[in-house]
Amino acid sequence: DIEMTQSPSSLSASVGDRITITCRASQGISSWLAWYQQKPGKAPKLLIYGASILQRGVPSRFSGSGSGTDFTLTISSLQPEDFATYYCQQANSVPLTFGPGTKVDIK
Amino acid sequence: QVQLQESGPGLVKPSETLSLTCTVSGGSISSYYWIWIRQSPGKGLEWIGYIYSTGTTKYNPSLKSRVAISLDTSRSQFSLNLSSVTAADTAVYYCARGFAVGGKGWNFDYWGQGTLATVSS
Repeated sequence: DIEMTQSPSSLSASVGDRITITCRASQGISSWLAWYQQKPGKAPKLLIYGASILQRGVPSRFSGSGSGTDFTLTISSLQPEDFATYYCQQANSVPLTFGPGTKVDIK
Repeated sequence: QVQLQESGPGLVKPSETLSLTCTVSGGSISSYYWIWIRQSPGKGLEWIGYIYSTGTTKYNPSLKSRVAISLDTSRSQFSLNLSSVTAADTAVYYCARGFAVGGKGWNFDYWGQGTLATVSS
């Protein structure tokens, strides 16, 4: 199985901040990586797939980059609705696996 | 707008079978993957398996001996059966739609709201 790790596990930030979350795969996955946002009591929401392709309807302040084993999710200017937990997911091979999540809360 | 809705018992006894159904509305079953994922505090998000619209299935090896996913295209439903459950199977179960890019790259673009399944006597 491909193991996914994320850092940091949590971070505190203010509205307007630029933040970056890192995801690492235990083996190369090309660009087969997706990012999800989850708010308490809700299902995850797809933000980015193919490492850098913005899902329809997702604001352009979200961006993704990386390939191989190292990936990043960046929010260019944090908005109040962005406080949530973010997960990466490798889409390269079965079993599909998720990272442990990064919780973004208000400073 | 595609919508998915899980249904099934919220309480299952140990050693019995957990059965859940997901009803899809607002879109076609064809050419998509239909996914089950679960989330528990101890294990985070765990992919259980998928069924493609043609009926092809793939399961997580960690659950493979206990899992079956089936599809009823006439009712726009797909189902999960997880046998011989224990307390470790207590989780919120989500159904989701998956799309692939270039034959792989399974990504989940629509999700149900999730249903809590508790294993307890």
